[in-house]
Amino acid sequence: KQEVTQIPAALSVPEGENLVLNCSFTDSAIYNLQWFRQDPGKGLTSLLLIQSSQREQTSGRLNASLDKSSGRSTLYIAASQPGDSATYLCAVLGNNNDMRFGAGTRLTVKP
Amino acid sequence: SQTIHQWPATLVQPVGSPLSLECTVEGTSNPNLYWYRQAAGRGLQLLFYSVGIGQISSEVPQNLSASRPQDRQFILSSKKLLLSDSGFYLCAWKYTNTEAFFGQGTRLTVV
Repeated sequence: KQEVTQIPAALSVPEGENLVLNCSFTDSAIYNLQWFRQDPGKGLTSLLLIQSSQREQTSGRLNASLDKSSGRSTLYIAASQPGDSATYLCAVLGNNNDMRFGAGTRLTVKP
Repeated sequence: SQTIHQWPATLVQPVGSPLSLECTVEGTSNPNLYWYRQAAGRGLQLLFYSVGIGQISSEVPQNLSASRPQDRQFILSSKKLLLSDSGFYLCAWKYTNTEAFFGQGTRLTVV
């Protein structure tokens, strides 16, 4: 069964810093990987989707990379802002269409 | 455009009572549908997923069940709730090669 791990579990940075969140998965047979953010007590908001054939995707200050063969993805956030404070989750879609999540990274950006 | 509806938003149920949570999707055809549970401060645990009407894949829950009576309807049920069933329940839809979209969630407290 696919296992998805996210490190670090929590991260606190001052405003303006660039930061990297990590996601690893055990089975490289995936369709795609998606990054989400979740605000406290809320549902999930999609950030970026990377297909298994792609290496990276960019949206504004966010850049996600995928190395399928090594089972890793990173989410890079440039020039962090207090509004970026949230929990960031990665999800992997397996070949059976099972979508599995990591436990998330809780990010705090201090003004 | 596609929308996903999940209700109720909050629910307080006594131990041993039945449960029925409904999720419906609009503006899609034959989506993959998912049910997740999120314990406080934890990641999303995959409970059930469905790739078509009447097709249900079950993960870990012992006293929960799911049904997909219509293409865009996914129902999570229990005959007798346990205290450990408390949590935040999220429904999602996705096509294999597209982003996943989530409902706003149901916060269930079993007392």
